[in-house]
Amino acid sequence: SSELTQDPAVSVALGQTVRITCQGDSLRSYYANWHQRKPGQAPVLVMYGPHKRPSGIPDRFSGSSSGNTASLTITGARAEDEGDYYCNSRDNTGNYYFFGTGTKVTVL
Amino acid sequence: QVLLVQSGAEVKKPGASVNISCKASGYSFTGYNLHWVRQAPGQGLEWMGWTGGTIYAQKFQGRVTMTRDTSISTAYMELSGLTSDDTAIYYCARDHRGYDGKQYYYGVDVWGQGTTVTVSS
Repeated sequence: SSELTQDPAVSVALGQTVRITCQGDSLRSYYANWHQRKPGQAPVLVMYGPHKRPSGIPDRFSGSSSGNTASLTITGARAEDEGDYYCNSRDNTGNYYFFGTGTKVTVL
Repeated sequence: QVLLVQSGAEVKKPGASVNISCKASGYSFTGYNLHWVRQAPGQGLEWMGWTGGTIYAQKFQGRVTMTRDTSISTAYMELSGLTSDDTAIYYCARDHRGYDGKQYYYGVDVWGQGTTVTVSS
């Protein structure tokens, strides 16, 4: 299967920890990338490979992978972490790429 | 600084075509493929295709064409037969891949700013 499934929404109290998961068969073969999208802005890559942060991404973001599940964890969530998070990978044929269904993160 | 700069917003009538450009700078354009992704109102990100072998998502096959002009470091995405369902923000994004010794990762890293396409009669 080429689908990547995420929980639609999660909420986290300011300063607490939240984990977002992405499930799909292709994740047994390939790591997921994670993108953050805020309203009115283009997406931004926040994690890849599975625990590497691009330059400028704070270290409260961390990633992991096990079996068919990739996870993105925000430790010490801040108000600016609110947004939609999407995982991204490709299928086992190597030809097609996919985005997860997206998770809306709300910081309370 | 790696940048992808897209062309401006478009308003099209049903049945028309739209052509969006994506100009790259700050890196070797020929060293990376580009993906096209869209987001319709209230929907998630949807992968449309990429210039690596010019592979398109099955949903768009027959309607989309992705090309590159390496002389000006610019990629193009043309979508024909527009309907109201094609109203969306369209993004180009650079291919991103690697290997950590155990497993590969594939995806995109840098995104263009997006191009809003509105299809309305």
